[in-house]
Amino acid sequence: KAGVTQTPRYLIKTRGQQVTLSCSPISGHRSVSWYQQTPGQGLQFLFEYFSETQRNKGNFPGRFSGRQFSNSRSEMNVSTLELGDSALYLCASSFSGAPETQYFGPGTRLLVL
Amino acid sequence: KQEVTQIPAALSVPEGENLVLNCSFTDSAIYNLQWFRQDPGKGLTSLLLIQSSQREQTSGRLNASLDKSSGRSTLYIAASQPGDSATYLCVPSSGGSNYKLTFGKGTLLTVNP
Repeated sequence: KAGVTQTPRYLIKTRGQQVTLSCSPISGHRSVSWYQQTPGQGLQFLFEYFSETQRNKGNFPGRFSGRQFSNSRSEMNVSTLELGDSALYLCASSFSGAPETQYFGPGTRLLVL
Repeated sequence: KQEVTQIPAALSVPEGENLVLNCSFTDSAIYNLQWFRQDPGKGLTSLLLIQSSQREQTSGRLNASLDKSSGRSTLYIAASQPGDSATYLCVPSSGGSNYKLTFGKGTLLTVNP
């Protein structure tokens, strides 16, 4: 079974731009969660999608948004990028969500200049 | 709000040593607790998952224990190898019916040949 895939793997943007990241979960998994990892804050939960609906949300501003498609693939979008958005963005999938074992993708490294 | 503390923040040991990584969490009402490893710049790999009703879980050279009432978990690694070098993350799942994962800052382990 293929693992969780994320595209692109690396991205460089400038302040004020917007960015869209993509995550393809393991086949059959319906839950996709997104996390932001920075050296200062560690791993922080962004949101979770299940069957195309946002089911859970962390404490991030509205500039961070996401969606899930009928095939469970998910995208997250960050608008009006700030320098502090530079981070490793990880997605994780599972069949029905926490507290099941989460399977993580390799991440997308975003650098905002 | 769940908070997770991992001690030590970094650990360097010679190959072959047995070692213990410690984790404490503030909200004992957890559903389960997972230990992950993260290699530099990569995603997370689940190592062990302990249900709240369990006291320990073993996989190969790894043994994780859980004392839910005192809010503590330990990860024991036997006969460490250079390939064990990574960051180890303790992740309880809590939040009632809307489970969320809370991540510690991790312990950076270096095993020297």
